[in-house]
Amino acid sequence: EDQVTQSPEALRLQEGESSSLNCSYTVSGLRGLFWYRQDPGKGPEFLFTLYSAGEEKEKERLKATLTKKESFLHITAPKPEDSATYLCAVQFHTTSGTYKYIFGTGTRLKVLA
Amino acid sequence: GAVVSQHPSWVICKSGTSVKIECRSLDFQATTMFWYRQFPKQSLMLMATSNEGSKATYEQGVEKDKFLINHASLTLSTLTVTSAHPEDSSFYICSALIWDRGRPPYEQYFGPGTRLTVT
Repeated sequence: EDQVTQSPEALRLQEGESSSLNCSYTVSGLRGLFWYRQDPGKGPEFLFTLYSAGEEKEKERLKATLTKKESFLHITAPKPEDSATYLCAVQFHTTSGTYKYIFGTGTRLKVLA
Repeated sequence: GAVVSQHPSWVICKSGTSVKIECRSLDFQATTMFWYRQFPKQSLMLMATSNEGSKATYEQGVEKDKFLINHASLTLSTLTVTSAHPEDSSFYICSALIWDRGRPPYEQYFGPGTRLTVT
C-alpha cells in the first residue's frame, strides 16, 4: 500500500539542540519528495524538493536528505521561530498513468527558548 | 515567485447558505489546483483536483454537489460550499501545481487557507 509515515509525531527541543525529523515512504514510481512547514492557521510553506536518492538540499538551519526509503529533515541549532509543523509529501506515478500525492501527518516541532 | 492567494481568509455564514472561496495563482499559470480540508492537528485531506477548462475530480467520499469547484481560468479556481451546515466548518486550503519544468517533480504551492465557520 502506498504510504507516507512521519516520526516523531511531536518533538520538543531546547534552543540550539539539533535533531532530525523522519519521513518514510512506501510508494513505487517516486517522482519527488517535498518538505513543507506549516504554522498554525496558515497554509503549508514550501521548503524543499528532493528527487533522487543521495540528494541534499539546505536552507538556513534546515537540511533535507533523501534515500530510497526515507527522507530526513535535519534542524541544526534550532531557534524558537523554527517551531511549526513539518509536513512531507511524495509524488508518484500510478499504474493508471496519473500522478498522485500523499502527505504525511506531520511532525509538530516546539523549540523552547 | 509562486504565490497563491485565497479569499476570504475567514468567513462566518449561517446554516443553509452558500459560501464561495477563491484561489488565485498570482505570478504563474496553474492548469491544476487542489482543494484540501484540514481539521485541527490533522494533516491535509485532499477533496478534489481542479483542472482548468474541465470538470473537477473529487476524492472518494466528497460530495461533488455540495462542494462545487470551478476552474475557469489559468489563475483562478473557486470552491463553493452549498447549503452549508455546521459540520462543514473547517480550514480549507488550496494549492496550485507548477508544471513549467515539463517533467516531475511538480511542486505544489499553497494558499494561506480559509477558515469557514457555519453557525
